[in-house]
Amino acid sequence: NAGVTQTPKFQVLKTGQSMTLQCAQDMNHNSMYWYRQDPGMGLRLIYYSASEGTTDKGEVPNGYNVSRLNKREFSLRLESAAPSQTSVYFCASSEQENTEAFFGQGTRLTVV
Amino acid sequence: AQSVTQPDIHITVSEGASLELRCNYSYGATPYLFWYVQSPGQGLQLLLKYFSGDTLVQGIKGFEAEFKRSQSSFNLRKPSVHWSDAAEYFCAVASDTGRRALTFGSGTRLQVQP
Repeated sequence: NAGVTQTPKFQVLKTGQSMTLQCAQDMNHNSMYWYRQDPGMGLRLIYYSASEGTTDKGEVPNGYNVSRLNKREFSLRLESAAPSQTSVYFCASSEQENTEAFFGQGTRLTVV
Repeated sequence: AQSVTQPDIHITVSEGASLELRCNYSYGATPYLFWYVQSPGQGLQLLLKYFSGDTLVQGIKGFEAEFKRSQSSFNLRKPSVHWSDAAEYFCAVASDTGRRALTFGSGTRLQVQP
């Protein structure tokens, strides 16, 4: 049972490059999320998708875009990476918005 | 909007000692409350959750937490800490209106001394 799968696990980008972080869940969950984790700041919500076909901004959406491709997949795109986007990114899913969230293993992104 | 405060950034306890990690939330109505644990290099794992009912909730790995509405708190406890409990612990809150996604505290790193 895979749960939430994120790819890649590690990535180094140069400033200005673009990339897409992929996330898929196999639990038939309605809601999916992207968080970033920075030291001393906990996890901050970037974007979320309450249900298939909808996406909404979280606390820190600037510099990011998302796509809810289908019920299983929710991708996060950095169009022009900046050093401030160096972080660990977590994808999560839950049955409904305010129920228990299940997390992927994270993507460690470094922008140089 | 809801918010969560974890006042202790870092706590060190001796193996076998009791543990209490503090969590205070800000939310007008009855919140949904969660505690997660994160081992180094790993994702987050749910320890326990509170939605309603009995204010003392039991979780995995021998953890429990008590919801105290009057103090806006949801503190995590364990009677006897094991070396494997060393990790980072996050408290989270969710609402039942508006944006309902989980909001996390900044975390408490637990170190266990032999």
